[in-house]
Amino acid sequence: DTAVSQTPKYLVTQMGNDKSIKCEQNLGHDTMYWYKQDSKKFLKIMFSYNNKELIINETVPNRFSPKSPDKAHLNLHINSLELGDSAVYFCASSQTPWDSRGEQFFGPGTRLTVL
Amino acid sequence: QKEVEQNSGPLSVPEGAIASLNCTYSDRGSQSFFWYRQYSGKSPELIMFIYSNGDKEDGRFTAQLNKASQYVSLLIRDSQPSDSATYLCAVKTSYDKVIFGPGTSLSVIP
Repeated sequence: DTAVSQTPKYLVTQMGNDKSIKCEQNLGHDTMYWYKQDSKKFLKIMFSYNNKELIINETVPNRFSPKSPDKAHLNLHINSLELGDSAVYFCASSQTPWDSRGEQFFGPGTRLTVL
Repeated sequence: QKEVEQNSGPLSVPEGAIASLNCTYSDRGSQSFFWYRQYSGKSPELIMFIYSNGDKEDGRFTAQLNKASQYVSLLIRDSQPSDSATYLCAVKTSYDKVIFGPGTSLSVIP
């Protein structure tokens, strides 16, 4: 029983292409996140949704567009991919954004390589 | 100043020794502090959280928090090779956002 799942696990594509990453959680959590982890392992939040509503929108290029069809799913669409977009993208979920434990459950990650 | 900073690694300790990982944060109103462990090629997993000043122990792990100094640390006693990983400090700020530090890579040498 995978708690937070992401597809695909690996994504290799050419510059300029458009791609999507999908995320699903079966934990019944209200809040989901997208993180980007670069080659130096720095984990940086990109977006957060609570009950399908966008609550965190960090300074990321508008080529990145999240979409939450329901609270169990959060997808990430990236237009016009650039070399600098190469990274591991993690989806995560938590009970609420104000969960005092702060525990976020992470998916396995999607390694995106832009050639 | 970065919001969450960690001691730069990599940190190498011999098996059985105590590993000490440090983290400082800039938002004085932060209330909750977390340590995540990330094995190479895997996703982060929460191993400790602490809210109150002082020490919190869980098995071989001890988290220490000093809010006056804006400092949180993680001690790993009797370090094992299986503890070799990157440790991420995370802070829940006063504006309800969890900020991760850059991580410290720990290597436990058998």
